[in-house]
Amino acid sequence: DTGVSQNPRHKITKRGQNVTFRCDPISEHNRLYWYRQTLGQGPEFLTYFQNEAQLEKSRLLSDRFSAERPKGSFSTLEIQRTEQGDSAMYLCASSLNLAGKEYFGPGTRLTVT
Amino acid sequence: QKEVEQNSGPLSVPEGAIASLNCTYSDRGSQSFFWYRQYSGKSPELIMFIYSNGDKEDGRFTAQLNKASQYVSLLIRDSQPSDSATYLCAVTRGNRDDKIIFGKGTRLHILP
Repeated sequence: DTGVSQNPRHKITKRGQNVTFRCDPISEHNRLYWYRQTLGQGPEFLTYFQNEAQLEKSRLLSDRFSAERPKGSFSTLEIQRTEQGDSAMYLCASSLNLAGKEYFGPGTRLTVT
Repeated sequence: QKEVEQNSGPLSVPEGAIASLNCTYSDRGSQSFFWYRQYSGKSPELIMFIYSNGDKEDGRFTAQLNKASQYVSLLIRDSQPSDSATYLCAVTRGNRDDKIIFGKGTRLHILP
């Protein structure tokens, strides 16, 4: 399978716990995006990387969120001290050079209880 | 004003008819426009993109762009039940190509 993969697919956690998600993009893609999607909404931009450099982080993202892409390959998204409002589908997408022509992974569904 | 606006629907269209999905955007500098399809419980999939004013056709799909009116649409001809999904409009911000902004999506239901 040469598509975008995400792990885990589902995560249930208690409020206040930390969680970490992983995204493995298509191997030759240099751009990697993280989005959050809630029911009835379109994907909301969180952050993106070009190779290993994190070029932008949404103003909507609090300091509890951090993302990394070491060596420009896979990426991790960590949420510290989770809150119920963090419950959502977290989507990763990758592309070659251009935004828009993005390939999405299956997503990680986070439920905070 | 939201950056990308779509009617959330649902839009119900009889099988075999033309489905017309519309999207408006606020940033006059946006240069690239995309339509994604998202089936329930699945992730978005790119189906069309358009950069220039006018029409672009790909099989049963036609994307239409009018930059002066800041309007982009997607037509689906000979609608099939398998076309039932949420259609997301996305545009690049300003004259940059580094990220896209999504609308909320329009739910399309094709009636057999």
